[in-house]
Amino acid sequence: QQQVKQSPQSLIVQKGGIPIINCAYENTAFDYFPWYQQFPGKGPALLIAIRPDVSEKKEGRFTISFNKSAKQFSLHIMDSQPGDSATYFCAARVEGGYQKVTFGTGTKLQVIP
Amino acid sequence: DAGVTQSPTHLIKTRGQQVTLRCSPKSGHDTVSWYQQALGQGPQFIFQYYEEEERQRGNFPDRFSGHQFPNYSSELNVNALLLGDSALYLCASSLPGQGNDGYTFGSGTRLTVV
Repeated sequence: QQQVKQSPQSLIVQKGGIPIINCAYENTAFDYFPWYQQFPGKGPALLIAIRPDVSEKKEGRFTISFNKSAKQFSLHIMDSQPGDSATYFCAARVEGGYQKVTFGTGTKLQVIP
Repeated sequence: DAGVTQSPTHLIKTRGQQVTLRCSPKSGHDTVSWYQQALGQGPQFIFQYYEEEERQRGNFPDRFSGHQFPNYSSELNVNALLLGDSALYLCASSLPGQGNDGYTFGSGTRLTVV
């Protein structure tokens, strides 16, 4: 059962472009939505996260937009750089629960110089 | 400050064999969760250990079992290996009440079943 749907599967942008990754969730009990960045041969690393009481969160060049009524959220990467080339996963969990994280299927991003 | 340490980094096993993967949590963390990440997919939750007991389990068969030791380190055991068990196995450690930002993943063990 895929509780967090993610698109696109892959994305190629030019340096300086703004890649956008979209996710949708089903379980309304989710109340914490992290994004993870994963480089080849490494485990996922927390990039940025949002709670549903806010509609947008910015950290550096990374911005999460959140639409609670639509049960959708997205990641924007401003002024993308070749070093941002990685696989990005959206995720969701029930905060205060047993900390199980439900991941999306991932988006492989390539930023071309 | 050491993060989450997993061993071995790579492993090749034959169908039907058994395998044990190991995880040392980040210093100060007492909860360990295991995930399976198939190629091109997101990690899938296997189970979580806290106070040496399995606290929550995902949709994985009983062939997958685990253990947590008094020093909080953990093992994942998989019996009767199938080709479909080939994946990256990730361990994550955390501390209840620390908040979600403290959930830390290791680099994983790449298991290949032939």
